[in-house]
Amino acid sequence: DSGVTQTPKHLITATGQRVTLRCSPRSGDLSVYWYQQSLDQGLQFLIQYYNGEERAKGNILERFSAQQFPDLHSELNLSSLELGDSALYFCASSGDNEQFFGPGTRLTVL
Amino acid sequence: AQSVAQPEDQVNVAEGNPLTVKCTYSVSGNPYLFWYVQYPNRGLQFLLKYITGDNLVKGSYGFEAEFNKSQTSFHLKKPSALVSDSALYFCAVTPTGGGYNKLIFGAGTRLAVHP
Repeated sequence: DSGVTQTPKHLITATGQRVTLRCSPRSGDLSVYWYQQSLDQGLQFLIQYYNGEERAKGNILERFSAQQFPDLHSELNLSSLELGDSALYFCASSGDNEQFFGPGTRLTVL
Repeated sequence: AQSVAQPEDQVNVAEGNPLTVKCTYSVSGNPYLFWYVQYPNRGLQFLLKYITGDNLVKGSYGFEAEFNKSQTSFHLKKPSALVSDSALYFCAVTPTGGGYNKLIFGAGTRLAVHP
């Protein structure tokens, strides 16, 4: 168990809908990262927050947004969902060097 | 562009034999290098890392990796494979300044260990 929690585990929704994925980092970790894992794109970095502030952006679509709250948990919001957004979404938090990953949220868009 | 290459989609090895999963990288400066493993329907588990120092780093479950700066490689190794090692392995790198940077992942290598 990495200490990083993600909810929900599975999410099934329809095209055009909006969903929110939640992540709680390991105790004491200030950085939260979001990654998307799909068959065609592999593991891609989406966005990073550090102590409530956005720190880095990767291949994140404009339909996607994230935030980190004062208690350091983070939410990834995905809107106007398309079939191609179906993927496994991971959250990670980091200590000194390595990142620790949550179990992921599997999103299926029908 | 910064990238990580895992040239083999799949590696097959017999139980008890040594295994190697290859990784090369293209990142400027002095990157931090990592290996993660993913079991079916699970998240990524950290195996080992290279930050600085000894080129041979030891990690979890008997795995080790050798950093070779001249060849920009960071191959994962294990002297004796177990069937339970069968999983998807990812090499990853963070650019210089590591600790709080994003990870750039390779495409992954599926390791199949046969009894």
